[in-house]
Amino acid sequence: DAGVIQSPRHEVTEMGQEVTLRCKPISGHDYLFWYRQTMMRGLELLIYFNNNVPIDDSGMPEDRFSAKMPNASFSTLKIQPSEPRDSAVYFCASRCYEQYFGPGTRLTVT
Amino acid sequence: QQQVKQSPQSLIVQKGGISIINCAYENTAFDYFPWYQQFPGKGPALLIAIRPDVSEKKEGRFTISFNKSAKQFSLHIMDSQPGDSATYFCAAGQETSGSRLTFGEGTQLTVNP
Repeated sequence: DAGVIQSPRHEVTEMGQEVTLRCKPISGHDYLFWYRQTMMRGLELLIYFNNNVPIDDSGMPEDRFSAKMPNASFSTLKIQPSEPRDSAVYFCASRCYEQYFGPGTRLTVT
Repeated sequence: QQQVKQSPQSLIVQKGGISIINCAYENTAFDYFPWYQQFPGKGPALLIAIRPDVSEKKEGRFTISFNKSAKQFSLHIMDSQPGDSATYFCAAGQETSGSRLTFGEGTQLTVNP
């Protein structure tokens, strides 16, 4: 298995632009999680899905953030408009019994 | 009640020594306790996990000790190596509900050669 796949691995964008992060979970996993990691705040859970349905989005910082999971093999996290404080590493993880993380997307908003 | 407290924040150990990282939780419903290892520029990787039906689990040089009554669990790295230098996260969750994991704040381990 290729593991959790995220794209892009690095994203540099200007403030105000829309950013879309993509995730392909491990096949057969029924839970998908989006995390954000920064030095100041550590690892934060933003939102998670079960069987493609959002279960808890209480960690989404603002309305500028949205996440979708149109099918079992794909999810997106969108930031519109992006701000410099959104700069972080964003991880996707999927879970059946054990939870596995993707390699992350390093987002820099200038 | 969802918090997981991890200590120390950073740890320096000499090669061949024992590294010990501790975690404490409050939610007695937690029944699954994994540890993750993260190298710079990489995602957290599942290292070892324990469920409360046992008090200890060992995989190679890595051992989890679990104390249900004290609501504490710890990671021991025997014969620590420079390649073990990484950030370690403990986590806790309710496996039966299949829901979210609650992560500790992380411990940055440095093993000096």
